[in-house]
Amino acid sequence: EAQVTQNPRYLITVTGKKLTVTCSQNMNHEYMSWYRQDPGLGLRQIYYSMNVEVTDKGDVPEGYKVSRKEKRNFPLILESPSPNQTSLYFCASSVTGQGINSPLHFGNGTRLTVT
Amino acid sequence: RKEVEQDPGPFNVPEGATVAFNCTYSNSASQSFFWYRQDCRKEPKLLMSVYSSGNEDGRFTAQLNRASQYISLLIRDSKLSDSATYLCAVKGWHTGNQFYFGTGTSLTVIP
Repeated sequence: EAQVTQNPRYLITVTGKKLTVTCSQNMNHEYMSWYRQDPGLGLRQIYYSMNVEVTDKGDVPEGYKVSRKEKRNFPLILESPSPNQTSLYFCASSVTGQGINSPLHFGNGTRLTVT
Repeated sequence: RKEVEQDPGPFNVPEGATVAFNCTYSNSASQSFFWYRQDCRKEPKLLMSVYSSGNEDGRFTAQLNRASQYISLLIRDSKLSDSATYLCAVKGWHTGNQFYFGTGTSLTVIP
């Protein structure tokens, strides 16, 4: 089944404790992206990757890191999480970042709470 | 100014009703338009792309008005299962081909 898989689904952690949220897609998509979703603010892009070894900042990159060493994986790293990073996170992919008609396909989300 | 704006609603409609949502975008250079459906803080799922000439998928019709810079979604014969939040998304060269999403419009279909 074609899908974007995120893990974990739920995570409660404490301030300052490094964590990684994994994202993997099995559709051979070139483009991958991370979003956070907060009430009233909608989906905001954190980082994106047009292809392997190519990553760029989105609108809200502060406090996050990403890497794209393989086409299928795009982990999101929080080196020192803070309570304002409590949010619902989505990974997404599309066939290509260049094509204007390639829709995004989302993973099932990671609900992160930082205390 | 936000790239994309939506009326958050909520829209509460009876079963069988027709309901329409609009989504305005700020940049005329936007090239691709989509509607997504999101249930109860689950992941957004693609409902339909929006094509220049308008397109229909069963009870759902999407239209694009470039002159006024908005897209619309029409749902006919609403079902209880249509209750969800509907997100619009736009993309274009001016955004570096990145997607921008509206904050969503909440729909509740009432028995």
